[in-house]
Amino acid sequence: QVQLVQSGAEVKKPGASVKVSCKASGYSFTSYYSHWVRQAPGQGPEYLGLINPSGGSAIYAQKLQGRVTMARDTSTSTVYMELSSLRSEDTAVYYCARGGISGGLDYWGQGTLVTVSS
Amino acid sequence: EIVLTQSPGTLSLSPGERATLSCRASQSVDSGYLAWYQQKPGQAPRLLMYGASSRATGIPDRFSGSGSGTDFTLTISRLEPEDFAVYYCQQYDSSPQTFGQGTRLEIK
Repeated sequence: QVQLVQSGAEVKKPGASVKVSCKASGYSFTSYYSHWVRQAPGQGPEYLGLINPSGGSAIYAQKLQGRVTMARDTSTSTVYMELSSLRSEDTAVYYCARGGISGGLDYWGQGTLVTVSS
Repeated sequence: EIVLTQSPGTLSLSPGERATLSCRASQSVDSGYLAWYQQKPGQAPRLLMYGASSRATGIPDRFSGSGSGTDFTLTISRLEPEDFAVYYCQQYDSSPQTFGQGTRLEIK
C-alpha cells in the first residue's frame, strides 16, 4: 500500500532553517511527482511546490522563491523540503503528497509540525 | 495566481440532507483541472474528486462534482454522519497551484 512517512516535529528560532523529509513506499517513486503543502493553524492549505523525483527538477511557489529548496534521493525513495530564514508566519503543519496520474494529490503524509518561536 | 473563493463559509445541515458547496475561480480553470478534498481535525486532506467530476478511488457515489470555467460545485447527495468536515477546492491548471479557503460542513 502507498505510504508517505514524514520526519518528526521541529522547533526552530527565527532566521534558522528546517529540513523535512518524506519517505515513500508502495509505488514506483520516480513515476509520480511529489508535492509539498503547508497549513497554518486554523487556515486552509497553502501550496509550496513540487519536485519531479525522476529528474530532480522542482517548481516553487513564487511567495517562497529563494527560501525553499526541494530535493530527492532515489536510493531511499525520499523527498526533502528545506525552508530557510524562518519567520513566525512559517509556523504550520507541512505535508508531502503524491501527485495523482489523473490530477489531484491522492496520497498524503501524516504531516510535520514546524514551530518557529524565539 | 488563480484565487479560489468557496461559499458558504459554513454550512449547517442534518444527516440525510443534500449539501451543495461552491468554488469560484478568479480566472478560468482550463481542462477542468480542479480537485476537492475533505479534511477532518488532526488529519491530512483526503482527495475526493479530480478533473472536476471524477471520484477518487474509494469515494462513495453520494459525492459528485460538476462545473467548468470559473464555477465548480461539490454535491453530497445524502449526508452521512462521517461527512461533517471541512472541504477545500484546489486548482492545478496553472502555477502556482492554489486552494480555496474552505467550507465547514457542520451538523445542524
